[in-house]
Amino acid sequence: GAVVSQHPSWVICKSGTSVKIECRSLDFQATTMFWYRQFPKQSLMLMATSNEGSKATYEQGVEKDKFLINHASLTLSTLTVTSAHPEDSSFYICSARAQTGVADTQYFGPGTRLTVL
Amino acid sequence: AQRVTQPEKLLSVFKGAPVELKCNYSYSGSPELFWYVQYSRQRLQLLLRHISRESIKGFTADLNKGETSFHLKKPFAQEEDSAMYYCALSGPGGDTGGFKTIFGAGTRLFVKA
Repeated sequence: GAVVSQHPSWVICKSGTSVKIECRSLDFQATTMFWYRQFPKQSLMLMATSNEGSKATYEQGVEKDKFLINHASLTLSTLTVTSAHPEDSSFYICSARAQTGVADTQYFGPGTRLTVL
Repeated sequence: AQRVTQPEKLLSVFKGAPVELKCNYSYSGSPELFWYVQYSRQRLQLLLRHISRESIKGFTADLNKGETSFHLKKPFAQEEDSAMYYCALSGPGGDTGGFKTIFGAGTRLFVKA
């Protein structure tokens, strides 16, 4: 089946530094990838939709300059949290959209836990 | 506005009892509805989708467009069903364009022995 990986699985950084999270579709090509953020005991909140070869589409309230998304290839999207602050600490999850049969299916990565000190 | 509502944060039932996890949605158009499940320490995974009209692990969900609901049901709950369940809606993204999926707040199902 389709597998999505994320790296790293967890990261701790100092306030003011930047952190890059990678999302890869391992055995399929994904023209569209999504980035979500999940706070403890809360649901997934869509941050942005990443389309290969074009600019990401951000949801309202998500700072484009803070959360840089690059989708350079059909199997890789990256999320860079720039000048991270403690309030950016969260669980970040990516998903990739694949066509399975007659319908599209989203496959989710395992998530990356970011802790900003 | 696009919205998915799961009114129950926690649902606790005994093994063998019927279970229904509620989901209501708001969407101007014809969305695709899903149920995702997240077992302890595992990633989110698709449970079922309305267009498939299938039963997965004994779970079914019927899309009721009149009531804008997509409740998840299982006649006899099992302990291994204990997990976090998310109702989700996919469709064109409205103001931001494109295609996107939004999630409800989730319902934690706890099946007691």
